[in-house]
Amino acid sequence: NAGVTQTPKFRVLKTGQSMTLLCAQDMNHEYMYWYRQDPGMGLRLIHYSVGEGTTAKGEVPDGYNVSRLKKQNFLLGLESAAPSQTSVYFCASQGSGLRELFFGEGSRLTVL
Amino acid sequence: AQSVAQPEDQVNVAEGNPLTVKCTYSVSGNPYLFWYVQYPNRGLQFLLKYITGDNLVKGSYGFEAEFNKSQTSFHLKKPSALVSDSALYFCAVRDVSGGSYIPTFGRGTSLIVHP
Repeated sequence: NAGVTQTPKFRVLKTGQSMTLLCAQDMNHEYMYWYRQDPGMGLRLIHYSVGEGTTAKGEVPDGYNVSRLKKQNFLLGLESAAPSQTSVYFCASQGSGLRELFFGEGSRLTVL
Repeated sequence: AQSVAQPEDQVNVAEGNPLTVKCTYSVSGNPYLFWYVQYPNRGLQFLLKYITGDNLVKGSYGFEAEFNKSQTSFHLKKPSALVSDSALYFCAVRDVSGGSYIPTFGRGTSLIVHP
C-alpha cells in the first residue's frame, strides 16, 4: 500500500517553462489537496478537490492550475514558472468523515 | 472562520526531560484538532487528533495532547523527550460546526532535543 505518491521528487526549471506535478493515492479518498511549504510560512493551500472532476481554489492559487480527471490522481500545473514558485510542494488526501490527512513525501521545485 | 496559532517557532529541551509544544485555536463552533510531525526532507505524518470525548488524547511515539476548551488550546506533550523526536510539528484545526472539511495549519514549531 503506497499511500500518496508524488512525482517528480525534484525538478529545476527556467523562468517561463511549464511543468506538471503528479499526485496519486491508492486509498480511494475523496478529498485531495496541494500545498506549498516555504520557510517561516508553514503550509499554504494552493488548490483542492472534493471529488473526481471537481477542483477549487485555495489560499494561493495564482500561477497554478489543477485537474482531477480520475479519483486517484490530482495534477498540479505551472504554465509559466516564476522564481517565486520555488518551493516544496506537498500533496495530501483525506477520506470522508473525520479523517486526518495523508501526505506525500514532497516535490522540491527550483525555478531559476 | 478558523485559525490556529503556534506561538513558538522553536522549542529546545534536553533528552529525558518533558516537552510541550503549544497550540491555540479559534473556531466559530466545535473544533477537530490534529497534530502532525515532519522529519527533515519528509512529508507530514499524523500523530494524533481530538474529535470528542476525553480531553487527553494519546497518539503515536508516546505523544499526547490535552484539549482545553476554556483556554482554546491543544498542547502537545511527551513525558520524556528523545533526540529522535527532533522535528517540525504542526497543529491543525477544523471547525466542524461550520461544515468545513479543510483544515487550517499552524506555521509549525521546530523541536530540538539536545543529548
